[in-house]
Amino acid sequence: AQSVSQHNHHVILSEAASLELGCNYSYGGTVNLFWYVQYPGQHLQLLLKYFSGDPLVKGIKGFEAEFIKSKFSFNLRKPSVQWSDTAEYFCAVTDDNYGQNFVFGPGTRLSVLP
Amino acid sequence: DAGITQSPRYKITETGRQVTLMCHQTWSHSYMFWYRQDLGHGLRLIYYSAAADITDKGEVPDGYVVSRSKTENFPLTLESATRSQTSVYFCASSESVNRGYGYTFGSGTRLTVV
Repeated sequence: AQSVSQHNHHVILSEAASLELGCNYSYGGTVNLFWYVQYPGQHLQLLLKYFSGDPLVKGIKGFEAEFIKSKFSFNLRKPSVQWSDTAEYFCAVTDDNYGQNFVFGPGTRLSVLP
Repeated sequence: DAGITQSPRYKITETGRQVTLMCHQTWSHSYMFWYRQDLGHGLRLIYYSAAADITDKGEVPDGYVVSRSKTENFPLTLESATRSQTSVYFCASSESVNRGYGYTFGSGTRLTVV
């Protein structure tokens, strides 16, 4: 079964620091990869997605992620975080065989200190 | 973002009672999903539906029942609520499970079983 791990449970940064959140998945076939963000008290919103093409994907709000197939990874990055980026971030994976079932990682809570 | 709405936003119920969480989407998306979000577990799929009258179990279906008589509605029923079902429940929809389509999430229902 597909599984997703996220390296950090809670990350604390100061404003303007660079961010990298790790995500690894277990499936070796063709995958679709997503990062979702959940701001406090809100629903999940799509940040970015990868399904083919350029492995460096740019999303909203200055986020980007890089798909490295050999490492089964899809890490999320942002060069300079803002206080408003404080949220929980979820990596999710589907594969072409079971695309109806997103497998979510456990989430990484990001706290940005002003 | 009124495309997918969940009701109620908050619900407190007693152990053993039946409770139904509503989900309504206005896009005519074929696929709909119910997830529960718990600390340390991320999001776990309860049930999903590929179309009206087609539903299937996800990772944690026990104690839940779903129906989908109309494309736009996907209610989730807890037949006899237990304290372990205290959680935040998210409904999601998707136009397709083909590559590149993400989910759109509702705002969630926070359910407390006392």
